[in-house]
Amino acid sequence: AQSVTQPDIHITVSEGASLELRCNYSYGATPYLFWYVQSPGQGLQLLLKYFSGDTLVQGIKGFEAEFKRSQSSFNLRKPSVHWSDAAEYFCAVAAGGSQGNLIFGKGTKLSVKP
Amino acid sequence: NAGVTQTPKFQVLKTGQSMTLQCAQDMNHEYMSWYRQDPGMGLRLIHYSVGAGITDQGEVPNGYNVSRSTTEDFPLRLLSAAPSQTSVYFCASRQRGGRYNEQFFGPGTRLTVL
Repeated sequence: AQSVTQPDIHITVSEGASLELRCNYSYGATPYLFWYVQSPGQGLQLLLKYFSGDTLVQGIKGFEAEFKRSQSSFNLRKPSVHWSDAAEYFCAVAAGGSQGNLIFGKGTKLSVKP
Repeated sequence: NAGVTQTPKFQVLKTGQSMTLQCAQDMNHEYMSWYRQDPGMGLRLIHYSVGAGITDQGEVPNGYNVSRSTTEDFPLRLLSAAPSQTSVYFCASRQRGGRYNEQFFGPGTRLTVL
């Protein structure tokens, strides 16, 4: 069955430090992968997505993610975290079939220390 | 464009009451979906629609009904609310063309069932 695992429930980093959020997926074919961000009390906003080609994907707000098929991973990174990055981050895979429903991980909450 | 809009933002119901959560989009998207978000559970798909007159169940459909009479609107009905339906509900839409297309999310409806 298709699934997404985000091993870290909560991460705290200092402002200016680098960030890596982990995401592992289970999917039989080539996955369509997404990272979304949710600020407190808000809806979800797409940060970046991968479906083919270059395995390093650039997104908005200075984020990037690397697709590693051998490790079934799609980790999100940012070289220098800003206080405004404090939010919850969700990794998702598009399920099979033409409808492509999203299957979400349980999310990682990011706190940023000043 | 207003994007995806949801009403109401907040709602408190008593057990057994019924209500409809409204969702509308002005992007002419064929695909629309409803998710519920619970702490530590990520987002789980309730129902989805690939076009007017076509709906299908997601992962957690019990207790919810949907219909899609127009491209723009996709209401979610709770026929007899239960405390287990206390959650934050998100509506989303995307172009139908491919699984890699971005889903756009509404701001959410926070529902409490007493």
